[in-house]
Amino acid sequence: EAGVTQFPSHSVIEKGQTVTLRCDPISGHDNLYWYRRVMGKEIKFLLHFVKESKQDESGMPNNRFLAERTGGTYSTLKVQPAELEDSGVYFCASSQGQGARNYEQYFGPGTRLTVT
Amino acid sequence: LAKTTQPISMDSYEGQEVNITCSHNNIATNDYITWYQQFPSQGPRFIIQGYKTKVTNEVASLFIPADRKSSTLSLPRVSLSDTAVYYCLAWMDSSYKLIFGSGTRLLVRP
Repeated sequence: EAGVTQFPSHSVIEKGQTVTLRCDPISGHDNLYWYRRVMGKEIKFLLHFVKESKQDESGMPNNRFLAERTGGTYSTLKVQPAELEDSGVYFCASSQGQGARNYEQYFGPGTRLTVT
Repeated sequence: LAKTTQPISMDSYEGQEVNITCSHNNIATNDYITWYQQFPSQGPRFIIQGYKTKVTNEVASLFIPADRKSSTLSLPRVSLSDTAVYYCLAWMDSSYKLIFGSGTRLLVRP
């Protein structure tokens, strides 16, 4: 079974440009999460999808970030316009369902975003 | 969600048992204790989860005393490949999101 995949693995863009990150969750996983780690900080939750609906986007830093999950399959995270402080590693994770019996979140390898 | 505290780093040698203790004094009734492992350039990977007493799987054991204010992850006979960062998290089953702390950086030496 394929794991969570993320594309690209690394992106270098200039301040003010737009970048779109993509996440393909494990097939059949309704729950999809985005996290990020900025330099020297801890991994932080960004948002959570259940199928195509945003369940919780309390961790999104500001309105320059837009996440979508059309059709409830893959998800994209767009940063527009990118700022220097957006540099970091963006992780996507998916889980089969909510609740203790389906708790395990499977993480992708992350996308390293560098804004210069 | 409860705040967790764990050592910043630990050193061990191959073949030894490693115990990483995590404090979570304000853990809530609905919180589970969850441990994730992260290797460089990879995403975190689930290791084990428990609510109380002892849980064991093929990778590790998790000991949670009755007061649930702390927990201990036990890795039997570590190898060099167990060198990683280990995160202790309090996870609420109605909340789903993971709150990561700084983790414990475990270095296993030959």
